[in-house]
Amino acid sequence: GENVEQHPSTLSVQEGDSAVIKCTYSDSASNYFPWYKQELGKRPQLIIDIRSNVGEKKDQRIAVTLNKTAKHFSLHITETQPEDSAVYFCAAAGAGSYQLTFGKGTKLSVIP
Amino acid sequence: NAGVTQTPKFRVLKTGQSMTLLCAQDMNHEYMYWYRQDPGMGLRLIHYSVGEGTTAKGEVPDGYNVSRLKKQNFLLGLESAAPSQTSVYFCASSVFWYEQYFGPGTRLTVT
Repeated sequence: GENVEQHPSTLSVQEGDSAVIKCTYSDSASNYFPWYKQELGKRPQLIIDIRSNVGEKKDQRIAVTLNKTAKHFSLHITETQPEDSAVYFCAAAGAGSYQLTFGKGTKLSVIP
Repeated sequence: NAGVTQTPKFRVLKTGQSMTLLCAQDMNHEYMYWYRQDPGMGLRLIHYSVGEGTTAKGEVPDGYNVSRLKKQNFLLGLESAAPSQTSVYFCASSVFWYEQYFGPGTRLTVT
């Protein structure tokens, strides 16, 4: 089955700096890669996703990049703000599997 | 439009007791999922359903059963609760298997 590794497990940045979270996956057939943000005590919320036919996708301050050859994808947050502080999860899934496999999460702290 | 809701929000069980968690969605989604979330472990899939009347096992199905008798509801049952099942349980739903939307979660403690 699919295995997703996520790094780092914790990340602290100064407000206004950029943050990068990286994930690797094992199944070369995987073709869907979402990112979820979970604030303390809240539900995970989908913030951005990318399909395997796209190398990069942006949404305001958030971007995701995908390298299918190397089997890794990354979340980039620019101009970080205190409200970006949360746990971020990456996930991967392949067509026909019906299942998302999640990484273990990255706790991002943005220091004012 | 409530989205995905879960009942109850909190529950404390004694070892060996049984209970059912209810997930309901009003978005007419075909796919529904049950996950558990433990500290440092991310989200792990317990069972899922690709449509009314269907269920399938996920990564950690042991000790749990599910039913999808109605399209909008997905039930998770614990027949004989164990302390290892202490966790936060999230339900999710989606039109297809991607873009999953999560419920608010149920915090379960088994003593």
